Amino acid sequence: ELKVEQNPLFLSMQEGKNYTIYCNYSTTSDRLYWYRQDPGKSLESLFVLLSNGAVKQEGRLMASLDTKARLSTLHITAAVHDLSATYFCAVDMAQGGSEKLVFGKGTKLTVNP
Amino acid sequence: GAGVSQTPSNKVTEKGKYVELRCDPISGHTALYWYRQSLGQGPEFLIYFQGTGAADDSGLPNDRFFAVRPEGSVSTLKIQRTERGDSAVYLCASSSIGWSSYNEQFFGPGTRLTVL
Repeated sequence: ELKVEQNPLFLSMQEGKNYTIYCNYSTTSDRLYWYRQDPGKSLESLFVLLSNGAVKQEGRLMASLDTKARLSTLHITAAVHDLSATYFCAVDMAQGGSEKLVFGKGTKLTVNP
Repeated sequence: GAGVSQTPSNKVTEKGKYVELRCDPISGHTALYWYRQSLGQGPEFLIYFQGTGAADDSGLPNDRFFAVRPEGSVSTLKIQRTERGDSAVYLCASSSIGWSSYNEQFFGPGTRLTVL
């Protein structure tokens, strides 16, 4: 059974600081997704990572994928308050014969002024 | 264009009652998914449709849960004899598997189900 683990689960940081969220998964997959969820809202797609070594950047967020290590990172640069949200990584099970996504528990990020 | 829509946004029911939750996917998306999200957790997969057929229903917790997609577009998730443990946000997502090499799923706003 695929397990997806994120850490940390809670992250409180000051504006202007940098930090990295980690996502480990337990089985082979070449496709990993990052989503953002604001309180009471649905999931917003941030990044789609499709191959080993993939790196995507959007504003202050950068995501990378290492399929050999089964690890993805979401790096936050010079955090601002607007980035406060819960971030989920999700692994695609297509190589296991299913199109479902398996999600981590999420990292709740709070950026303090 | 329009995103995934779900109705109702909130549903409060009593233990033992029957509920139906509706999902309208993005036009043209052949794949539709249902997930359930409990407080403080990530979404958990319930069922996946490709067209009209359920391609993977391995996430349905028991036989009280059933979903249909009769015309390959709108889907209804049906829960019989609701229990308090069914309280959660039910999320629907759709994607356009078949023309691209990946499965980016677009999520609806969810239905918050509360069973009293």
